[in-house]
Amino acid sequence: KQEVTQIPAALSVPEGENLVLNCSFTDSAIYNLQWFRQDPGKGLTSLLLIQSSQREQTSGRLNASLDKSSGRSTLYIAASQPGDSATYLCAVRQGSEKLVFGKGTKLTVNP
Amino acid sequence: NAGVMQNPRHLVRRRGQEARLRCSPMKGHSHVYWYRQLPEEGLKFMVYLQKENIIDESGMPKERFSAEFPKEGPSILRIQQVVRGDSAAYFCASSHRDRPYEQYFGPGTRLTVT
Repeated sequence: KQEVTQIPAALSVPEGENLVLNCSFTDSAIYNLQWFRQDPGKGLTSLLLIQSSQREQTSGRLNASLDKSSGRSTLYIAASQPGDSATYLCAVRQGSEKLVFGKGTKLTVNP
Repeated sequence: NAGVMQNPRHLVRRRGQEARLRCSPMKGHSHVYWYRQLPEEGLKFMVYLQKENIIDESGMPKERFSAEFPKEGPSILRIQQVVRGDSAAYFCASSHRDRPYEQYFGPGTRLTVT
């Protein structure tokens, strides 16, 4: 059974700092991995999707890497801003359409 | 081009009542997924539906829960005889049949059982 773990559960940083969020999964047989952002009381916004054959994806200040063999992914956020404050979720997709999510990392960026 | 719509956004039910949650997928999307997020937990897959078909319901509780996606109208997640443990945020996602890996999420329905 696939399990996804995100560390840390919560993170508080000053504005401008670069930071890394970690995601690990127990079964390396995945189709892809996706990072989402969840704001309080709102739905999920997809940030980056990495196919199993890819090593990384970049979008603006965000960079996500994938090491499938070791079951790890990282989300790197450069020059963090208060508007980046949210919960970041990692999810993997295996042999079906359903996503398996981690519990998330709650990020607070202090001005 | 409206996104995935869910209603109601907030729903309060007393124990024993029925809860009906609605999800309208994005225009052109024929695949719908329901996920549940319990307090302090990650999202858990419940069910995957296509028009008039349940494709995967491996995450649905065996009793009291049912889902449908009719030919016309929204997808409905129905919870009968709700209990306090059903209090959670229920998220719907949709995808196009040609791009099932691109799921777009709705804002969720927050169910509170009193």
